[in-house]
Amino acid sequence: KAGVTQTPRYLIKTRGQQVTLSCSPISGHRSVSWYQQTPGQGLQFLFEYFSETQRNKGNFPGRFSGRQFSNSRSEMNVSTLELGDSALYLCASSPGQGAGKSSYEQYFGPGTRLTVT
Amino acid sequence: GDSVTQMEGPVTLSEEAFLTINCTYTATGYPSLFWYVQYPGEGLQLLLKATKADDKGSNKGFEATYRKETTSFHLEKGSVQVSDSAVYFCALISGGSYIPTFGRGTSLIVHP
Repeated sequence: KAGVTQTPRYLIKTRGQQVTLSCSPISGHRSVSWYQQTPGQGLQFLFEYFSETQRNKGNFPGRFSGRQFSNSRSEMNVSTLELGDSALYLCASSPGQGAGKSSYEQYFGPGTRLTVT
Repeated sequence: GDSVTQMEGPVTLSEEAFLTINCTYTATGYPSLFWYVQYPGEGLQLLLKATKADDKGSNKGFEATYRKETTSFHLEKGSVQVSDSAVYFCALISGGSYIPTFGRGTSLIVHP
């Protein structure tokens, strides 16, 4: 099976702009989660989508939003970029349903490195 | 809430040395436990897992045993290689939202 793919891999934006990142999950996985990784804060959970609905949400401002399409592909949007949004954004997919916790193990993509100048 | 505590890094070792990275957790119920590895410039890869007490997860020479009595899941490898240099994350999934809780990561540097 192909793994999780993320596009683009690298992005440079200017403060105040907006950005959209894309994630294609492993075939058959219906859950997509997004994380922000920075040296100072480590790995922080942004949100999770399952069957086109946001199922879980982390503690991030409303400038961070996402959506999921019927084919389970997901996009994440950040509006009014700030310097502090510079980070590696990771997407992870999992089956997202089932009786065992194994159904929720996450498989990560390579990430999108966002630099805000 | 759930939490994972890992030893601070970096851990610096010579090739063929023994590795231990400590991980302890706090969780409700009986979580599943994971170790992920992140190589430079890449995303996280699932390294090994254990789903119940006394289970031992193993992969690529790495091992970790689920210790319920000490709420620990320490990562070990008998002989590290330069190629093992990476950041290692301990994580758990409990029965709440099923979103993993990650530790802050431990950087491992292996010198030839």
